[in-house]
Amino acid sequence: AAGVIQSPRHLIKEKRETATLKCYPIPRHDTVYWYQQGPGQDPQFLISFYEKMQSDKGSIPDRFSAQQFSDYHSELNMSSLELGDSALYFCASSRTGSARDEQFFGPGTRLTVL
Amino acid sequence: DAKTTQPTSMDCAEGRAANLPCNHSTISGNEYVYWYRQIHSQGPQYIIHGLKNNETNEMASLIITEDRKSSTLILPHATLRDTAVYYCIVRPPGNTPLVFGKGTRLSVIA
Repeated sequence: AAGVIQSPRHLIKEKRETATLKCYPIPRHDTVYWYQQGPGQDPQFLISFYEKMQSDKGSIPDRFSAQQFSDYHSELNMSSLELGDSALYFCASSRTGSARDEQFFGPGTRLTVL
Repeated sequence: DAKTTQPTSMDCAEGRAANLPCNHSTISGNEYVYWYRQIHSQGPQYIIHGLKNNETNEMASLIITEDRKSSTLILPHATLRDTAVYYCIVRPPGNTPLVFGKGTRLSVIA
């Protein structure tokens, strides 16, 4: 079965650079979520989109922005990168009306800021 | 902030049942109890969820107390591949975010 696709899987950036992470949800899933997991930390919700509109906002820094496109893929844009942004970034998707309201997670993008 | 409290870690012998408790004393009437697990830096994986009745699927069983203030996830025959961090999450229905707490690190020992 198709799963959530994230690219790139690994990314290395310098401080103050920008980064763009991409997420391709499972076909027919209409909601995308972004989570950040720092080293030794638990996943933390950043932001979500439903039908290309922002639906919930968590602890996403102002330096970050995200959007969902017409084909339902989503991008997380990160600017003025800081050392503390080094983390695993997970994207998850779900389908409205599913019996379990289950979120399916991608493999994550590991961002390292040097 | 997470609305759940779980033990930091637990050990379980391979082949035995693993019982993971969770306290959620402030759960609201419309909130479900969800369990996810994360195997070493992989994306979290859904296990099971319930509202007030006990639930069972191919992976686990979920026992929710009558007052809904606590629950227990049961892995009936733990294997080494069940070693992971297990998260108990309460959330309203619909496409709502998951609020992860500290979770329980389960180690299954041969």
